[in-house]
Amino acid sequence: GENVEQHPSTLSVQEGDSAVIKCTYSDSASNYFPWYKQELGKRPQLIIDIRSNVGEKKDQRIAVTLNKTAKHFSLHITETQPEDSAVYFCAATNTGFQKLVFGTGTRLLVSP
Amino acid sequence: DSGVTQTPKHLITATGQRVTLRCSPRSGDLSVYWYQQSLDQGLQFLIQYYNGEERAKGNILERFSAQQFPDLHSELNLSSLELGDSALYFCASSVVGQGVNTEAFFGQGTRLTVV
Repeated sequence: GENVEQHPSTLSVQEGDSAVIKCTYSDSASNYFPWYKQELGKRPQLIIDIRSNVGEKKDQRIAVTLNKTAKHFSLHITETQPEDSAVYFCAATNTGFQKLVFGTGTRLLVSP
Repeated sequence: DSGVTQTPKHLITATGQRVTLRCSPRSGDLSVYWYQQSLDQGLQFLIQYYNGEERAKGNILERFSAQQFPDLHSELNLSSLELGDSALYFCASSVVGQGVNTEAFFGQGTRLTVV
């Protein structure tokens, strides 16, 4: 089955810096890779996703890259702000959306 | 509001007891997922149902069971509860189409405390 590894587990940056979170997956059949943001005590919310037919996707300060050959994908946040502080989860699943598997999460702390 | 409704929001019960958590998916979503999140931990996949049938299973304990009803709501039953079962239980739903994956929307979660 699918296994998703995520690094780092914690990430501290200064406001305005960039943050990068990396994930690797094991199942070559996976073709959909969402990223979720979870604030303390709240539900995970999708911030960006990418499908296997593209290599990069951007949405304002957030971007995701995908390397299918290496089976890894990354989240890039530029110009970080204190409100970006949260836990970020990557995930992977295949066509049919079976068993959406999450990484272990990255706690991002953005200091003013 | 994600459109996914979970009840109750909080639940406190004693060890050895049985509880039922309920999830109503977004209108039109056929797939329901259950996740367990222990304190400061990740999202552990428990089980997925699609249109009433079990579709995928994670590391769900034998003491736990779930089902999806004809109206598509789902229930997660936890029995013989132990202190270690204390966690936040999330339900998520999604539209699953042929060759198309869409966003999974999460409910607010049920916080279970076993004392």
